[in-house]
Amino acid sequence: DTGVSQNPRHKITKRGQNVTFRCDPISEHNRLYWYRQTLGQGPEFLTYFQNEAQLEKSRLLSDRFSAERPKGSFSTLEIQRTEQGDSAMYLCASSLDFQPFDRPLAEQYFGPGTRLTVT
Amino acid sequence: AQSVTQLDSHVSVSEGTPVLLRCNYSSSYSPSLFWYVQHPNKGLQLLLKYTSAATLVKGINGFEAEFKKSETSFHLTKPSAHMSDAAEYFCVVSSARQLTFGSGTQLTVLP
Repeated sequence: DTGVSQNPRHKITKRGQNVTFRCDPISEHNRLYWYRQTLGQGPEFLTYFQNEAQLEKSRLLSDRFSAERPKGSFSTLEIQRTEQGDSAMYLCASSLDFQPFDRPLAEQYFGPGTRLTVT
Repeated sequence: AQSVTQLDSHVSVSEGTPVLLRCNYSSSYSPSLFWYVQHPNKGLQLLLKYTSAATLVKGINGFEAEFKKSETSFHLTKPSAHMSDAAEYFCVVSSARQLTFGSGTQLTVLP
C-alpha cells in the first residue's frame, strides 16, 4: 500500500537559508494539500492543487513560501530566507476529489510530515 | 467562516472504560466533518467522516461519532478504551475551500 510520502523527514537549517520539501501523493489522487503544524496545535492549511493548478493559498503563505506541482504528480514546497518562526512540521495530504467547487472537500490522506528546525 | 472547538485538551481514561472526546463546530453551511488520529511519529489517520448521510457514523477501531446539528456537535466515542488508543485526536470541519482542524485532544489510557 503506497500512501503519501514526504522527503526529507527531518531538516535542520540555519536562519536565512532556503529549504525545499517534496511530497509524493497517492498515485491516482488529483488534489494535493500542504499544511503546517506547530507544537500543541492542529494543522493549518497553507495551499492546495488540483492537478497542476494551485487553486487556493492561505494568508499564512508569505511571499517567502512557494509551492509547485509541475506535472500534477509530486509537489515541492520551498521556503526562502528561513526564519526561526518557520520551525514546524510540514504536512502533505492528497485526495481523490471530483466534488463541485461549492461542495465540502473530501477526506484527505496525510503523509508523515517533514519536521523543519531553523537554528 | 468556519471553526472547530475541541472542548478538552487532555482526556485520561482507564483501559476498558468508555471514551468521550468532545467537538463543537461552526460553519456557514452544511459541512463535512471528520475525526483524525495522530500517533507519535506517524501521519494523521482518518478515523471516520460525516457527509450528510446518517447522523451516527461508525469508524475504524470501534470509534463512532454522532452529528447533532441542533447542538453543532460531533463528539467522538468508543465503548471500551484500549492502550493502543492513546494518541492525539483532531476534529475537522470541511468547507469548499479548506479543512479546518481543532487544536486536538490528547488521549491517555491508563492500565
